[in-house]
Amino acid sequence: GENVEQHPSTLSVQEGDSAVIKCTYSDSASNYFPWYKQELGKRPQLIIDIRSNVGEKKDQRIAVTLNKTAKHFSLHITETQPEDSAVYFCAASYIHFGNEKLTFGTGTRLTIIP
Amino acid sequence: GAGVSQTPSNKVTEKGKYVELRCDPISGHTALYWYRQSLGQGPEFLIYFQGTGAADDSGLPNDRFFAVRPEGSVSTLKIQRTERGDSAVYLCASSPIGTDTQYFGPGTRLTVL
Repeated sequence: GENVEQHPSTLSVQEGDSAVIKCTYSDSASNYFPWYKQELGKRPQLIIDIRSNVGEKKDQRIAVTLNKTAKHFSLHITETQPEDSAVYFCAASYIHFGNEKLTFGTGTRLTIIP
Repeated sequence: GAGVSQTPSNKVTEKGKYVELRCDPISGHTALYWYRQSLGQGPEFLIYFQGTGAADDSGLPNDRFFAVRPEGSVSTLKIQRTERGDSAVYLCASSPIGTDTQYFGPGTRLTVL
């Protein structure tokens, strides 16, 4: 089955700087890669996703890049703000007819230092 | 509209007891997923329903765990003879048919004493 590794486990950055979180996956058939943000005691919320037919996707201060050959994908947050502090999870899935299970990484606790 | 809801939000039980956890998906979502999240870990897949049927139950850890979705909407996760190792947050998610995005509920925190 799929295995997703995520690094780093914790990350502290100064407000206004950029943060990068990296994930690798094992199953070359995986074709859908979402990122979720989870604040303490709250539900995971999708912040951005990418499919294997594109190499990069951007949404305001958040971007995701995908390298299918190397089987890794990364989350980039620019101009970080205190409200970006949370745990971020990457995930991977093989979507063929729609609706498939996600395999998650172990999470990155991001702390933005004011 | 209303998001995914789960009840109860917290459940404390004693080892060996039976528990039921409920998930109400977003109206119209045909796919429903159960995940388990242990402290400091990412959600771990348990089971996935497409309509009323379990399309993939490969994540259920053993036969003490069972889930149903009799009318294709609400789902119940049932755990028999609970063990301390079952303590975790149980998350439910739903998706519209044919889409990738999963919308999560707030979870049920299960504590087995």
